[in-house]
Amino acid sequence: AQKVTQAQTEISVVEKEDVTLDCVYETRDTTYYLFWYKQPPSGELVFLIRRNSFDEQNEISGRYSWNFQKSTSSFNFTITASQVVDSAVYFCALISYNTDKLIFGTGTRLQVFP
Amino acid sequence: GAVVSQHPSWVICKSGTSVKIECRSLDFQATTMFWYRQFPKQSLMLMATSNEGSKATYEQGVEKDKFLINHASLTLSTLTVTSAHPEDSSFYICSARTDRGLNTGELFFGEGSRLTVL
Repeated sequence: AQKVTQAQTEISVVEKEDVTLDCVYETRDTTYYLFWYKQPPSGELVFLIRRNSFDEQNEISGRYSWNFQKSTSSFNFTITASQVVDSAVYFCALISYNTDKLIFGTGTRLQVFP
Repeated sequence: GAVVSQHPSWVICKSGTSVKIECRSLDFQATTMFWYRQFPKQSLMLMATSNEGSKATYEQGVEKDKFLINHASLTLSTLTVTSAHPEDSSFYICSARTDRGLNTGELFFGEGSRLTVL
């Protein structure tokens, strides 16, 4: 069975604070992909990152960084120096090669206040 | 980059009518498309997976006679909500993938379609 858990339902921070969004996943497959998406109020999904199960290197893209740890089945997302425009719902998602279904976590609503 | 377009973006209909939502891959051939449903402040729930030329595979609990999915070409999949009722009001999003995407994990999402049934 596949499962994605985002334990944080809502997070509120003040601008310029760093914030980490947690994601824990479950899968029996050895080949899988993990994703993070941003969903602003308009509804469309904005792709942030895709990482395959064989690549545990952490990644940094501007103010965004991701920490992938297979040992703890986690794929956490950190926003450094948060901005008001970062306010959105963030979804972690998983698709495994064998089941071939993209499963989403319940999402974390991030509010960044000025 | 690859673009997936959904139409309409917004639709309001009366209870009992049927509504068709289109999902088009504009610059690539989508061998597989996924349809999701999202209620307000909730996550995206997979409804069905469709492969071009084949019948869609529905997730448990999704009524296949109510949510008709057609994937007749490599660039178009449609979701028809038949005899819509207010509880069908939701945000529907499609996702498309090429053959290569099965190995790379590359997926492309449409902008979503917001259905309101009065």
